[in-house]
Amino acid sequence: DVKVTQSSRYLVKRTGEKVFLECVQDMDHENMFWYRQDPGLGLRLIYFSYDVKMKEKGDIPEGYSVSREKKERFSLILESASTNQTSMYLCASSNAQGNTEAFFGQGTRLTVV
Amino acid sequence: SQKIEQNSEALNIQEGKTATLTCNYTNYSPAYLQWYRQDPGRGPVFLLLIRENEKEKRKERLKVTFDTTLKQSLFHITASQPADSATYLCALGGGSYIPTFGRGTSLIVHP
Repeated sequence: DVKVTQSSRYLVKRTGEKVFLECVQDMDHENMFWYRQDPGLGLRLIYFSYDVKMKEKGDIPEGYSVSREKKERFSLILESASTNQTSMYLCASSNAQGNTEAFFGQGTRLTVV
Repeated sequence: SQKIEQNSEALNIQEGKTATLTCNYTNYSPAYLQWYRQDPGRGPVFLLLIRENEKEKRKERLKVTFDTTLKQSLFHITASQPADSATYLCALGGGSYIPTFGRGTSLIVHP
């Protein structure tokens, strides 16, 4: 059973903390994505990566950075967490052809207090 | 700018009926369109993909149509069941491999 695994289901962090969200996929996919999902706003793309060490900004990259040192792992970093980054974070992966399905992780609900 | 519209209001139907969800788009020429299901607190799960040169796709009780003239896709669930209750997202993809998602429509099937 193919999987995208996110390191935490729930996280509570304090304002100003550096936060790491980890995502691992076991499908040897080239593409990996980080989205956040908020009520009424849908899925918004933060960053994506199409290869190891490659990254591209999505629609809302401000306040975030990413790291992809290995093909199977894509990390999202909140440099200094703020309350407006409280959200559901979703990682996804897909193969290089791009027009096939995206596989999503179970999501991390992050609360910044 | 590109825009994808799905009904923001929940769709309520009775068990056994056909549910029809709509995805409209503007300023976009997608090469393909996907539909996903999302349960509360979970990540989306892929259901179906339809390409721009296809009019209709079926999978079990699911049917998707794609009208590039109307810029619209319809997603049908026949013989709906309470277990079909979820939020359904459409996603459009074109030259890049990054699909753009709509905000989703909630479906509630009443027993």
